[in-house]
Amino acid sequence: AQSVTQLGSHVSVSEGALVLLRCNYSSSVPPYLFWYVQYPNQGLQLLLKYTSAATLVKGINGFEAEFKKSETSFHLTKPSAHMSDAAEYFCAVSDSGTYKYIFGTGTRLKVLA
Amino acid sequence: NAGVTQTPKFQVLKTGQSMTLQCAQDMNHNSMYWYRQDPGMGLRLIYYSASEGTTDKGEVPNGYNVSRLNKREFSLRLESAAPSQTSVYFCASNQGSNQPQHFGDGTRLSIL
Repeated sequence: AQSVTQLGSHVSVSEGALVLLRCNYSSSVPPYLFWYVQYPNQGLQLLLKYTSAATLVKGINGFEAEFKKSETSFHLTKPSAHMSDAAEYFCAVSDSGTYKYIFGTGTRLKVLA
Repeated sequence: NAGVTQTPKFQVLKTGQSMTLQCAQDMNHNSMYWYRQDPGMGLRLIYYSASEGTTDKGEVPNGYNVSRLNKREFSLRLESAAPSQTSVYFCASNQGSNQPQHFGDGTRLSIL
């Protein structure tokens, strides 16, 4: 069965520092992978998606993620954190042709001034 | 552009009461979903509707029913609410399988 693991339920970085949020998935075939961001009292918003076209995916707000098949990982990065990046981030996976999306448990990012 | 609209935004129920959560999307999407979000557990799929006229169970369907009223609307019903159903409920929609989902702002439901 599909599963997603997000390492670190809470991550703190200084403003201007590198952001690295980790996501590992389990799948027997190349999956579809997504990163979403959730601000307080709001729904999830799509940051970026991987659909096998390219291993390095660029998203909104300066975020990007790299698909590494050998490591079954899809980590999210941003070179320089901004205070407005403070939110909860979710990694999600789905198998080709299915409507069932599996979400990770989320990583809450705190940005320190 | 409203996107996905959920009503109500907040609700408090007593154990045993029934309630319907409403969801409507204006993006002409084929597929719609209901999730619940609980602390430390991410989002879990309750039911989904791949297309108008079809519904299927997700990961945690027990205690819930759904209706795909038309292409725009997908409702979630709790027939006899239990404290374990206290959660934040999100509706989402997309064009089809493997497509990014668009989410509503959620319904915060407390059951006493």
